[in-house]
Amino acid sequence: GDSVTQTEGQVALSEEDFLTIHCNYSASGYPALFWYVQYPGEGPQFLFRASRDKEKGSSRGFEATYDKGTTSFHLRKASVQESDSAVYYCALAPTGFASALTFGSGTKVIPCLP
Amino acid sequence: DTTVKQNPRYKLARVGKPVNLICSQTMNHDTMYWYQKKPNQAPKLLLFYYDKILNREADTFEKFQSSRPNNSFCSLYIGSAGLEYSAMYLCASSRGQGAETLYFGSGTRLTVL
Repeated sequence: GDSVTQTEGQVALSEEDFLTIHCNYSASGYPALFWYVQYPGEGPQFLFRASRDKEKGSSRGFEATYDKGTTSFHLRKASVQESDSAVYYCALAPTGFASALTFGSGTKVIPCLP
Repeated sequence: DTTVKQNPRYKLARVGKPVNLICSQTMNHDTMYWYQKKPNQAPKLLLFYYDKILNREADTFEKFQSSRPNNSFCSLYIGSAGLEYSAMYLCASSRGQGAETLYFGSGTRLTVL
């Protein structure tokens, strides 16, 4: 079945560092790809999506590009801030009408003072 | 208002007893979902309603039931809780199905003792 694999566990980095969270997927056809962010005490919330090869999604300084060749949708941010402390989930929606999102296991981002 | 509400926030249950979790949304969304989230694991889809049609995942088919008495409300029912049901339960809704944006509630943390 469809699956999403992303950077496991947590990523600790200094504020203003460049952030990358890797996401790779396995699905047939052209699934839609998503990033969601979950802050403490809240449910996951939509960050952005991409639906076709080479399409870039972006929001709040985060971006990712759909790459069908490498089946990837890596999340990047040029300068991480303390307010970016959260869990980030990569997800896919398979082609087809009667479907729902499949999520990765989540990556916790921990910005530290430089 | 893009709010999905879940009640209660925390739920304690005894092994072998039933559990009923409630979710509501006021966005007139067609689809409502239930996901189970355990530590260090991906949120796992349990089931979803598209309008009045219930879709349940094959591997959790017999463990969870649900009802949607109207467009706004959806419940998740566990007939006999086991220790393995301890988890965060996330409800979500979307305007349609498939590649639609999901709006999540804050979750209900269920602890089974």
